[in-house]
Amino acid sequence: GEDVEQSLFLSVREGDSSVINCTYTDSSSTYLYWYKQEPGAGLQLLTYIFSNMDMKQDQRLTVLLNKKDKHLSLRIADTQTGDSAIYFCAVWMDSSYKLIFGSGTRLLVRP
Amino acid sequence: EAQVTQNPRYLITVTGKKLTVTCSQNMNHEYMSWYRQDPGLGLRQIYYSMNVEVTDKGDVPEGYKVSRKEKRNFPLILESPSPNQTSLYFCASRSRPGQGAGELFFGEGSRLTVL
Repeated sequence: GEDVEQSLFLSVREGDSSVINCTYTDSSSTYLYWYKQEPGAGLQLLTYIFSNMDMKQDQRLTVLLNKKDKHLSLRIADTQTGDSAIYFCAVWMDSSYKLIFGSGTRLLVRP
Repeated sequence: EAQVTQNPRYLITVTGKKLTVTCSQNMNHEYMSWYRQDPGLGLRQIYYSMNVEVTDKGDVPEGYKVSRKEKRNFPLILESPSPNQTSLYFCASRSRPGQGAGELFFGEGSRLTVL
């Protein structure tokens, strides 16, 4: 079945850029998502990209999609301490009408 | 404001006492779904619904029921809760797959503890 993988931890200094990476196995995925989860909170939709796009930019967030390598990344520019959270990559499966989630990347922003 | 609203947010109950977690969305979405989040197991789909009166099992449906009598509501029912259903539950909604925009929104989560 579909598998989505992310690195577990990323630490950056405040003001630097953060890049969170994700790989997936099913090339037929139509939508790919990034969610943010803060402690005790829900899943906040940050951004998403349709599979026929290579890049999407939304303020400080840039999503890059490499379909050939099945690689998705989320870049956060000018990272702030409020960006500290767990970031989930998720892939929509048209065949089973569900999201497959990665295990989440914990981003720590150091002052 | 686009919202998926779940209630209750927190609940402690005892084994065998039926409970319902409600979910409501204000975006006129056809598709709704329930997930549970567990440490080490990640997020897994319980049930989903493509429209009113159309529901289907996800990956972990055992011990749960759902209904979709109205488009905006998709309650999750635990007829006889057991401790292994202690988890963080999320409801989600989006427009019909293959149509409309692809945003998939989640509720704030319902933390359930079964003693």
